[in-house]
Amino acid sequence: EVHLVESGGGLIQPGGSLRLSCVASGFNISDKYMNWVRQPPGKGLEWVSFIYAGGTTYYAESVKGRFTISRDKSKNTLYLQMNRLRAEDTAVYYCATSFHLNHSPLSSNFWGQGTLVAVSS
Amino acid sequence: DIQMTQSPSSLSASVGDRVTITCQANQDINDYLNWFQQKPGKAPKLLIYGASILETGVPSRFSGSGSGTDFTFTISSLQPEDLATYYCQQYDNLPLTFGGGTKVEIK
Repeated sequence: EVHLVESGGGLIQPGGSLRLSCVASGFNISDKYMNWVRQPPGKGLEWVSFIYAGGTTYYAESVKGRFTISRDKSKNTLYLQMNRLRAEDTAVYYCATSFHLNHSPLSSNFWGQGTLVAVSS
Repeated sequence: DIQMTQSPSSLSASVGDRVTITCQANQDINDYLNWFQQKPGKAPKLLIYGASILETGVPSRFSGSGSGTDFTFTISSLQPEDLATYYCQQYDNLPLTFGGGTKVEIK
C-alpha cells in the first residue's frame, strides 16, 4: 500500500531553520516527480518546490534561495530544508506525487496528510 | 507565471442542484488543468486531470470541460458529502499555480 507521511513541522522563530521529512512507502521516490505544496491557515494552496526523477529541482520565487528540496533514496524520504523562515511561511506543508499512467508527472494525484509549520516569535 | 482566476469564491446550493465553477488562465495551458476537492482539515484530493479526465474512483457526478484558457468544473447533482473547497490548478508550466478556490456550502 502506498503512503506519504510528513513530519518535522512545529513552532519556530523568524529567521530560524526547520527540515521537513516525507517518508514514502509502497514505491521508490527516486522513480517519481515529488513536490511540496503549502497552505497558510484559512488560505489557498501554493506550490513550493519540485524534484524531478532525474534530480533536477525547481522552486517558487517566494522560497528560492531559502528552501532546498532533496531526497534520500536509502531512506525513501523526501526533505524540505527551510532556512531564514518568515512569518509568511506559516502553513501546512504537503508532499505529493503522481501515479498517473501516460500523463504529465507534474499532476499530483497522491498527497500526504501535511505537517504544520508556524513561524512566530 | 500563469495566473488562474477561479469563480465564484463561494456558493450555496441545495442537494440535487447542478453546480458549476469556472477557471480561467491568462494563457493557453494545453488542457493541463486539475480540479481538486479539499475538505476541512484534509489534504487536497484530485478529482479531474487533463481538464476532463475523471480520476479513478471519483463519482461520475463530477466532470470537467474546457480547453485553452477557459475551463469549467461541474457537479451534476450536489450531495451532502460534496461540502468542500474546490481548486483548479495548472501544470502546464512551472511554477504550478492554483485558482483562489471555491467554497461550496449546502443550503
